[in-house]
Amino acid sequence: EVQLVESGGGLVKPGGSLRLSCAASGFTFSSYSMNWVRQAPGKGLEWVSSISSSSSYIYYADSVKGRFTISRDNAKNSLYLQMNSLRAEDTAVYYCARADSSGMTVDYWGQGTLVTVSS
Amino acid sequence: QPVLTQSSSASASLGSSVKLTCTLSSGHSSYIIAWHQQQPGKAPRYLMKLEGSGSYNKGSGVPDRFSGSSSGADRYLTISNLQSEDEADYYCETWDSNFQVFGGGTKLTVL
Repeated sequence: EVQLVESGGGLVKPGGSLRLSCAASGFTFSSYSMNWVRQAPGKGLEWVSSISSSSSYIYYADSVKGRFTISRDNAKNSLYLQMNSLRAEDTAVYYCARADSSGMTVDYWGQGTLVTVSS
Repeated sequence: QPVLTQSSSASASLGSSVKLTCTLSSGHSSYIIAWHQQQPGKAPRYLMKLEGSGSYNKGSGVPDRFSGSSSGADRYLTISNLQSEDEADYYCETWDSNFQVFGGGTKLTVL
């Protein structure tokens, strides 16, 4: 069974940093591209970042480019999101999401971790 | 960059059927999309991948009541024999070379 378990969320002040983690199991992690997708309170889904299976290709939404860094450790079956210079508008539930074998769309979601940016 | 347009809300009666629409922007009518369901207070759940031809592949455990179809730039999610647990937000998603795109979501109310 595919499982994605996020951790690392919490309350942080504007300008602060946070590192999210996603532990993957139930599939060959090193064979799949992965994504971070967020959802602000009461809002829709917003794609944040993607990373290919071997980390060769990395992409970011314009809203986080230059502030967030996605990475992965295939030996540890783990995905990460380093978030710096956090803003109030980054407040959201952050989901780890696996891309399907074509790499085109999400086919599994984690349960999410809440990040709150507030003074 | 593709844009996905969804109606903000829809409603239908228990036991009836409903067809939700996701419309691809001009120049992107051939794109493959995915449908996701998000029940209140829960994480999203993948429902299916849907091609422009109307061919679709559902995720593990998705009931037979859920089906997909396509017409031009429109991608549809049909839910038959509506159950109370189908009351949820439904999002479509697509992909371009460097990013994922989500529609704004449709909130489905089961009457």
